[in-house]
Parts: sequence; structure tokens; C-alpha cells
Amino acid sequence: ETGVTQTPRHLVMGMTNKKSLKCEQHLGHNAMYWYKQSAKKPLELMFVYSLEERVENNSVPSRFSPECPNSSHLFLHLHTLQPEDSALYLCASSHSTYGGGSYEQYFGPGTRLTVT
Amino acid sequence: GENVEQHPSTLSVQEGDSAVIKCTYSDSASNYFPWYKQELGKGPQLIIDIRSNVGEKKDQRIAVTLNKTAKHFSLHITETQPEDSAVYFCAATGRYSTLTFGKGTMLLVSP
Repeated sequence: ETGVTQTPRHLVMGMTNKKSLKCEQHLGHNAMYWYKQSAKKPLELMFVYSLEERVENNSVPSRFSPECPNSSHLFLHLHTLQPEDSALYLCASSHSTYGGGSYEQYFGPGTRLTVT
Repeated sequence: GENVEQHPSTLSVQEGDSAVIKCTYSDSASNYFPWYKQELGKGPQLIIDIRSNVGEKKDQRIAVTLNKTAKHFSLHITETQPEDSAVYFCAATGRYSTLTFGKGTMLLVSP
């Protein structure tokens, strides 16, 4: 495995629920990412954190709220989601976001989210 | 921003044959091009990558070639095996060294 873990692996929630996805990396990296993977679409970058600071937010609706308390942990808080938000949510980490040749991103197994 | 096109979307080969997946990118400033393999129920796994100062890189049965002038790069898998069956994604760097991914190629290797 890659050293990036995600919990839960599967989540079913109603549109009025509030839930959180958790990601943890054990690779000593400084950057962490959230991606959304929907059927027949490219991986969509949602958020980027570098040294616990958000450096990119790809026009993601406010019903998705990220949190990065330290460089090893990343959360995605979910509230009032829509059925079209059902997807595989992937977390990734990398050494940094500032180039220097350290571009390799390592992914977790993902959380399969179903919104009913 | 960066745009990455990947072809084909599906590829079926017989065991032992070679498989080639091609990608094009739009941003001439991109300088890092990884390939990921995603098996069912798992996250994408980095299998090989290439940087813009290199034209070709090989690792056992897989190789990647890069043509910066034409802005395209390709993944080559030789002597395919059933365990190579998966979805393969190409990507290229963008702002903050983030990755823009292609839509993926589903490779099916038949015994």
C-alpha cells in the first residue's frame, strides 16, 4: 500500500446529514490533496493544502469544507450534499507543491460516497 | 489551464501482446508526466513517470515516451499479462505542481 489511508471506505448519507471523510499520510509529505472521481470523468482536483495552508480551491461548492490540522491529516466535511455528489473521493499527498522535482503524488484507496 | 486528452478510452489485447496508450497536453510549461494504474476498488497507483528533460524511460515491461515539441506522451506495455488489466490514467503538471488527469483508458488483457 502507498502509506495514505482513508476512512471510511464506504459511506451512505442522506442529503440532510453531516459527515466527515478522513485522510492520513505516513510518508512525511508536506502537501495533501482532495480529488473527486466520477464515472467517465477525469479526476477532478478539489483542494490543495501545503504545510496546512490551502493553496487551491477549484471552485468547489461550500457544502464541501476541507480541514488540514497538520501535514499528516486532512479532512473533508460534508453537509447538505446532493445526489450528484455521489462519487469516489480520493486523497493524495506529495512532498511539496513547489516543484523542485518532487511532484509525485501518492493516493489513498478512496471513500465511496453515496448520497441518497 | 492545462488540458489532457487520452486515447483510447478502452483497449482490449491478447495476453503477450503490446499495449499503447497516448496522451496529449496543452500547456507547454508542463514538465512532469506521470502514469497511474487503478484497479477495481483501489486508488490510483503511480507506475512510471517522465520529466521534460528526458525523451524515454523504461521500467521492465513498461515504458513512457515524451515528445515535447508535439506535446504528447505515451505509455507502452509489452508482453501484457491478465494482471495488467486496469484503468490507466495519464497526467501533466499544472499550477502549484498540481496534476491534470486524462479521462482514463480501460485495458483488458485476455488470457
